[in-house]
Amino acid sequence: NAGVTQTPKFRILKIGQSMTLQCTQDMNHNYMYWYRQDPGMGLKLIYYSVGAGITDKGEVPNGYNVSRSTTEDFPLRLELAAPSQTSVYFCASDYTGQYSPLHFGNGTRLTVT
Amino acid sequence: QKEVEQDPGPLSVPEGAIVSLNCTYSNSAFQYFMWYRQYSRKGPELLMYTYSSGNKEDGRFTAQVDKSSKYISLFIRDSQPSDSATYLCAMSALDNNDMRFGAGTRLTVKP
Repeated sequence: NAGVTQTPKFRILKIGQSMTLQCTQDMNHNYMYWYRQDPGMGLKLIYYSVGAGITDKGEVPNGYNVSRSTTEDFPLRLELAAPSQTSVYFCASDYTGQYSPLHFGNGTRLTVT
Repeated sequence: QKEVEQDPGPLSVPEGAIVSLNCTYSNSAFQYFMWYRQYSRKGPELLMYTYSSGNKEDGRFTAQVDKSSKYISLFIRDSQPSDSATYLCAMSALDNNDMRFGAGTRLTVKP
């Protein structure tokens, strides 16, 4: 039981490049989330999904896209990377979407230069 | 003003000390309060959660919520070097998709 797995662990992008951050969970959780963590700012929700085929915007969605074709996978797409997207990205999942603990992956450290 | 305020520290204490970590918030609709622990280069993991006001104890950890003051605390008794981590408070009004996190307090417990 691996929990939430994120790849890659690290990535450096040039301005304007695109990439996909991968996230997969093996706990059969319906709810999945993408957060970014910046120093002194706390975790901010980018997008979330309540099940396969259903996604919705969080607090800071601009510059990102997501899809959820299966229960297990929730990739985050960055189009036209900008320096402001330099951050640590965390994927999380939970069972009920309400009053249940979030299970986090170990993050992807992204630098855009 | 941030919706959730948390002193980033860093906080350094000797082994065995009692540690007090705190957050204040502005949204009176918050009713589910959590503390996450995050080790370096790892994702956060849930440490404690409480619903509405009151205290909750789990081993060396005690979480307190004072909704009238919009103030939550986490106490760590007999702190250990293995408690060295960043502690994040989090709170939500209804669903996990409206959860708000504090910036985190970095704690170091020195042997």
